[in-house]
Amino acid sequence: KAGVTQTPRYLIKTRGQQVTLSCSPISGHRSVSWYQQTPGQGLQFLFEYFSETQRNKGNFPGRFSGRQFSNSRSEMNVSTLELGDSALYLCASSLEWTLNEKLFFGSGTQLSVL
Amino acid sequence: AQTVTQSQPEMSVQEAETVTLSCTYDTSESDYYLFWYKQPPSRQMILVIRQEAYKQQNATENRFSVNFQKAAKSFSLKISDSQLGDAAMYFCASNNAGNMLTFGGGTRLMVKP
Repeated sequence: KAGVTQTPRYLIKTRGQQVTLSCSPISGHRSVSWYQQTPGQGLQFLFEYFSETQRNKGNFPGRFSGRQFSNSRSEMNVSTLELGDSALYLCASSLEWTLNEKLFFGSGTQLSVL
Repeated sequence: AQTVTQSQPEMSVQEAETVTLSCTYDTSESDYYLFWYKQPPSRQMILVIRQEAYKQQNATENRFSVNFQKAAKSFSLKISDSQLGDAAMYFCASNNAGNMLTFGGGTRLMVKP
């Protein structure tokens, strides 16, 4: 069974641009969550989706948005990029949306904003 | 809001020895889970072990075990018989809503041959 796939692996953008990151969960998994990892702030929760509905959202500005499709694949979008958005963006999937779910992470998308 | 604190930015252990990584957390929830994740250089987070807060018995997964002290809000990870492949960043995390994890700052574990 294929793991969580994130594309692209690396991305370089300039300030003011927008970017879309993609996450394909493990087959059969219906929940997808996103995290931002930076050296300064560590790992921070962005948002999570289950059955195409956003269930929780972290403390990030409205420039960060996401969605989930009917096949459970998810995308996150960052508009008007800032230098501080440079980070590793990790996606995780799980079978369901319950408290004790085992999360499976992808290898992330490394975003650099110049 | 939940907080998770890892007070050891870096730890080292000799191969085949035992090491303990510390973690404290704070939550007002009565129902929550605690996790330890490993992040090797490949960047992919891997679940090492998880503990249900209502279970008093400490979780164990092969060479990995936890010492869960609920009253003290402490959740340490013990790695026995350390191997070179255990070298990685280790993150402690808590969860009290869906898949919304709160992570600690991480501990870099080095394993000396």
